[in-house]
Amino acid sequence: SAVISQKPSRDICQRGTSLTIQCQVDSQVTMMFWYRQQPGQSLTLIATANQGSEATYESGFVIDKFPISRPNLTFSTLTVSNMSPEDSSIYLCSVDKRSGTYEQYFGPGTRLTVT
Amino acid sequence: GENVEQHPSTLSVQEGDSAVIKCTYSDSASNYFPWYKQELGKRPQLIIDIRSNVGEKKDQRIAVTLNKTAKHFSLHITETQPEDSAVYFCAASISGYSTLTFGKGTMLLVSP
Repeated sequence: SAVISQKPSRDICQRGTSLTIQCQVDSQVTMMFWYRQQPGQSLTLIATANQGSEATYESGFVIDKFPISRPNLTFSTLTVSNMSPEDSSIYLCSVDKRSGTYEQYFGPGTRLTVT
Repeated sequence: GENVEQHPSTLSVQEGDSAVIKCTYSDSASNYFPWYKQELGKRPQLIIDIRSNVGEKKDQRIAVTLNKTAKHFSLHITETQPEDSAVYFCAASISGYSTLTFGKGTMLLVSP
């Protein structure tokens, strides 16, 4: 499996502000994914981030609200913009460590609370 | 798009008993079915997966079965231990894509 880290691990933010979450992998990966996990809920895919191309967003998620960067094969960021209390959630990145296997490994998550 | 249903939502067993969690999927093009274990406050961990070219896969006390005709797959845990207590998620991936669709999860509680 991959070693995946996320920063910050948690944050408390004021409504209307933005937070950028970083995801770092210890080796190059083709596919990186961003998920949201609301308290007591399942994982919902926000978007898929490939290096060198625009992120692909799932239904219900838009680039203006969740801009994503993927500058290289080991790093990605997710920004949660103009936050409201409804954005309080855990945000996780995952990677497809071995391209083509579909096996995804998750980062430790970022616990976001919006007040 | 794909839809994954998971049952039961909670499952309580005594230590040493077996536990079975079942999932159904909607898209017959799905061909990859992983299971994740998530302990409280931790990240989801991939514990076992199965691809559509096999019907069963085992890894020590855990096994997964797949019935493509019925579009359902199951996780079997034998000789359960308290450390098996966690939330388990099934997922499905449509052929040709890497994105996973998750079930809603099953909270497994193993009592000593």
